[in-house]
Amino acid sequence: DGGITQSPKYLFRKEGQNVTLSCEQNLNHDAMYWYRQDPGQGLRLIYYSQIVNDFQKGDIAEGYSVSREKKESFPLTVTSAQKNPTAFYLCASRLQGLNTEAFFGQGTRLTVV
Amino acid sequence: EDQVTQSPEALRLQEGESSSLNCSYTVSGLRGLFWYRQDPGKGPEFLFTLYSAGEEKEKERLKATLTKKESFLHITAPKPEDSATYLCAVHELTGGGNKLTFGTGTQLKVEL
Repeated sequence: DGGITQSPKYLFRKEGQNVTLSCEQNLNHDAMYWYRQDPGQGLRLIYYSQIVNDFQKGDIAEGYSVSREKKESFPLTVTSAQKNPTAFYLCASRLQGLNTEAFFGQGTRLTVV
Repeated sequence: EDQVTQSPEALRLQEGESSSLNCSYTVSGLRGLFWYRQDPGKGPEFLFTLYSAGEEKEKERLKATLTKKESFLHITAPKPEDSATYLCAVHELTGGGNKLTFGTGTQLKVEL
């Protein structure tokens, strides 16, 4: 089945540690996105990428880093510089084009303990 | 930069009580407006794409419309299973590529 897979579903991190969230898609989509969602809030864009080896900062990139070494993979690292990392993280992908929709993974809930 | 504003923040309806959700946006050139449904703890699920002012799309009890400045999601005779958060997003072409900006959503609760 084609789709977008995020792992793990739940992640616990100690303060001061970096942690990497996985996002893999087999839809052959060019564009991939990372969003953060806080309780009762909408989605805020962290990073996005249109092609391999290229990515752009979104609205809240500070404290995060990404890589795009393969078309199907777009991992997100939450660094110790991120002051409030506890949140629900969503990855999405879409075909290039004017009005093509994005498909989302099921999210990773990160909790700092 | 695009601004996407959704209202109301929360809406409580009785089963069968129709209503509308609003999504207003400011863009230099709309390249697509999207509606999504999100259930608690899940990723958003795509509902509709609208591209041109005057365009309408329907799916079961939902109907989405688009003007030059806003979009409406009309819910006709809702059922409890329509309870969810409804998100709208706009597609913006930036120097770095295709940016997708979301509103804060409307939390809909449909009661028996």
